[in-house]
Amino acid sequence: DAGVIQSPRHEVTEMGQEVTLRCKPISGHDYLFWYRQTMMRGLELLIYFNNNVPIDDSGMPEDRFSAKMPNASFSTLKIQPSEPRDSAVYFCATRTSGAKNIQYFGAGTRLSVL
Amino acid sequence: DAKTTQPTSMDCAEGRAANLPCNHSTISGNEYVYWYRQIHSQGPQYIIHGLKNNETNEMASLIITEDRKSSTLILPHATLRDTAVYYCIVIDTGNQFYFGTGTSLTVIP
Repeated sequence: DAGVIQSPRHEVTEMGQEVTLRCKPISGHDYLFWYRQTMMRGLELLIYFNNNVPIDDSGMPEDRFSAKMPNASFSTLKIQPSEPRDSAVYFCATRTSGAKNIQYFGAGTRLSVL
Repeated sequence: DAKTTQPTSMDCAEGRAANLPCNHSTISGNEYVYWYRQIHSQGPQYIIHGLKNNETNEMASLIITEDRKSSTLILPHATLRDTAVYYCIVIDTGNQFYFGTGTSLTVIP
């Protein structure tokens, strides 16, 4: 398996623009997580899905952030409108529902909002 | 919430064992200890986990004290590629991983 695939790897945009980050989970993994990493706050869980359904979005910073998982093979994290403080590395991770709580992370998307 | 305490940074000579400590004095009976690492510019990578017994895999060994209040991750023969931030995480079967600040391990040639 190719692992968790995120795109794009790097994104540079201007304040006010819409940004969409994408994630393709490992086949057969029914949990999907979105994290944000910054120097100030470290690695934070934003939202996670189970069987394509959002379970906990308490980490989503504000209404400008939204996440969807239309099917088992694809998820998006959207920021609209983007702000400079959204600059961070965004990671997607997935895992199976088995006993081992092991999350597999993608390579991340480095977002810069100018 | 921070359930673990780790040293901010450590150095280790290449080829020697790296012993990374973690304190988790408030761990409850159904909580596991997980270790992940993050090499610069990459996503976190699972290393090992355990509940009560010591564990070993191809990457590392995990030693958990009998009272489960602390643990040590051991990289038996550290290489330069092991330079990374190492995170100790305590969690039950839930999904709220709290990564904290971890230990920045530098392997020195």
